[in-house]
Amino acid sequence: AQSVTQLGSHVSVSEGALVLLRCNYSSSVPPYLFWYVQYPNQGLQLLLKYTTGATLVKGINGFEAEFKKSETSFHLTKPSAHMSDAAEYFCAVIAHGNNRLAFGKGNQVVVIP
Amino acid sequence: DTAVSQTPKYLVTQMGNDKSIKCEQNLGHDTMYWYKQDSKKFLKIMFSYNNKELIINETVPNRFSPKSPDKAHLNLHINSLELGDSAVYFCASSTEAAYEQYFGPGTRLTVT
Repeated sequence: AQSVTQLGSHVSVSEGALVLLRCNYSSSVPPYLFWYVQYPNQGLQLLLKYTTGATLVKGINGFEAEFKKSETSFHLTKPSAHMSDAAEYFCAVIAHGNNRLAFGKGNQVVVIP
Repeated sequence: DTAVSQTPKYLVTQMGNDKSIKCEQNLGHDTMYWYKQDSKKFLKIMFSYNNKELIINETVPNRFSPKSPDKAHLNLHINSLELGDSAVYFCASSTEAAYEQYFGPGTRLTVT
């Protein structure tokens, strides 16, 4: 079964600084990988996804992530944090041929002015 | 136009009651899901239906019963509510071919 590890439940970042959220996965078959964002009292919104092809994927709101098979990682970055980036971020994995989406425990991002 | 909608948004009820949460999607997707998000924000899949057929049934108490009257709707009925059922319940949908899931706004259930 696939699983996801996100370390550090709370991440504080200064406005304008780099946002880096780490995600490592385990999957016995090629994975599809996702990052979702959850704003307070809202549902989850897809930020970006990796299925096949280019390993650097760009998403909404200036976020991007790179799939590194050798490191089993899919870290999320944004060069310059904005106050509106304060939210919960979830990494998720699906094994190809399986529609069970397994989520990490999430990172709560706090942006400091 | 809301893609995945849920009703109600908030549900406060007493232990022992029976309640339902409704979900509708207008995306034309053929697969729908129910997730539970606990107080620590951890998300876990509960059920999944594909074209009205149950395809995922995780280890969930049988007090929880999903029902899919058609491809666009997936409802969740909960019998004999317990304090531990308090959580946010999310509905989601996807196509069979693509794997990205679209989530509803959630239903915050509080059992007192």
